[in-house]
Amino acid sequence: NAGVTQTPKFQVLKTGQSMTLQCAQDMNHEYMSWYRQDPGMGLRLIHYSVGAGITDQGEVPNGYNVSRSTTEDFPLRLLSAAPSQTSVYFCASSRAARVGAKNIQYFGAGTRLSVL
Amino acid sequence: GIQVEQSPPDLILQEGANSTLRCNFSDSVNNLQWFHQNPWGQLINLFYIPSGTKQNGRLSATTVATERYSLLYISSSQTTDSGVYFCAVNTGTASKLTFGTGTRLQVTL
Repeated sequence: NAGVTQTPKFQVLKTGQSMTLQCAQDMNHEYMSWYRQDPGMGLRLIHYSVGAGITDQGEVPNGYNVSRSTTEDFPLRLLSAAPSQTSVYFCASSRAARVGAKNIQYFGAGTRLSVL
Repeated sequence: GIQVEQSPPDLILQEGANSTLRCNFSDSVNNLQWFHQNPWGQLINLFYIPSGTKQNGRLSATTVATERYSLLYISSSQTTDSGVYFCAVNTGTASKLTFGTGTRLQVTL
């Protein structure tokens, strides 16, 4: 069982370049999300999706774009990379939250991005 | 939004020692998870524990939801326990997690 798969593991970009970070899950989870982790800090939510065709902004959405055309995939797009976007990016998935039901979030291995 | 505070921020232990990590949160929660981020950056689920007590080997966790805190106990620590421990919560019917800033643990020989 693969769980949550992120590609690539590492990426170096020049300022102004665009790229897409891929995230796929095989657990049929409704909820998927993207976080970034900066040195010495916890994870901060960028964007999330509660199902195919539905996305919303998290705490730090500027400079990022997402779409959710299938249940399995939730790509994160950097439109014009900036040095401030140098970070480690994590994708997560879970079942939709229901009061009283277990709602464990599973994380991918992360993508380490450097923007020069 | 909900605030999550973890203490201590840093902890150095000798191998074999026990420790307690604390997570305080500012509102009632539906989900509380403890994660271990290993030195390679992987986030590993330790516990899903919105209330009550759970144990898994040398690790155990207790959440007192009415008092808005959770504790992670590590007994007989090993060097492989080194890394950063995060507490993360969500509230209401939302799935999105709010993370604390973590406790960095170093276990030495």
